[in-house]
Amino acid sequence: DSGVTQTPKHLITATGQRVTLRCSPRSGDLSVYWYQQSLDQGLQFLIQYYNGEERAKGNILERFSAQQFPDLHSELNLSSLELGDSALYFCASSGGFPSEGYGYTFGSGTRLTVV
Amino acid sequence: SQKIEQNSEALNIQEGKTATLTCNYTNYSPAYLQWYRQDPGRGPVFLLLIRENEKEKRKERLKVTFDTTLKQSLFHITASQPADSATYLCALESGGSGNTGKLIFGQGTTLQVKP
Repeated sequence: DSGVTQTPKHLITATGQRVTLRCSPRSGDLSVYWYQQSLDQGLQFLIQYYNGEERAKGNILERFSAQQFPDLHSELNLSSLELGDSALYFCASSGGFPSEGYGYTFGSGTRLTVV
Repeated sequence: SQKIEQNSEALNIQEGKTATLTCNYTNYSPAYLQWYRQDPGRGPVFLLLIRENEKEKRKERLKVTFDTTLKQSLFHITASQPADSATYLCALESGGSGNTGKLIFGQGTTLQVKP
């Protein structure tokens, strides 16, 4: 157990639907990062939050949104789902910045299948 | 644009040998580089971080080198074991100031250690 909790582990939904993925970071970590991993794309950065505020954004689709709550858990919302959104979605947290020597701690991911 | 390249071909070696994986990057001037291990269906696990002013870093059977002139990092596993079989990812901070902590990952190289 890495200390980063992601729920649900698996999600199967139809095209056009909306889903919410949840992440609880490791205790004490203020930064939360979301990544999408598909077979042909590798790990793609979506968005980062630090202590409740958006800190950095990747190539996140407009249909996707995220937030980090006061208790530091984060949710990734995916709407108008398409077949191509099927992927593993990972959340990671860190206790500091990589420039300070910190690595990411990843959760076990949510496998999303859009049918 | 910034690019990270890892050998997409799987590396197959015999148990007990040293595995060497390569990470090349372009259009970056990273202050540090990280290596992660990922097992199928699981989140990546942080292994090592090396800073630009460090030529080499060791942790147990792992050794990482960082050549900012060649824009390359080498990741070595000595006395390899079948349990070392996994995909290994290198990661660099993407642009901007050093305080976003946003990492961009290579596609990874799969290592297979045969008994």
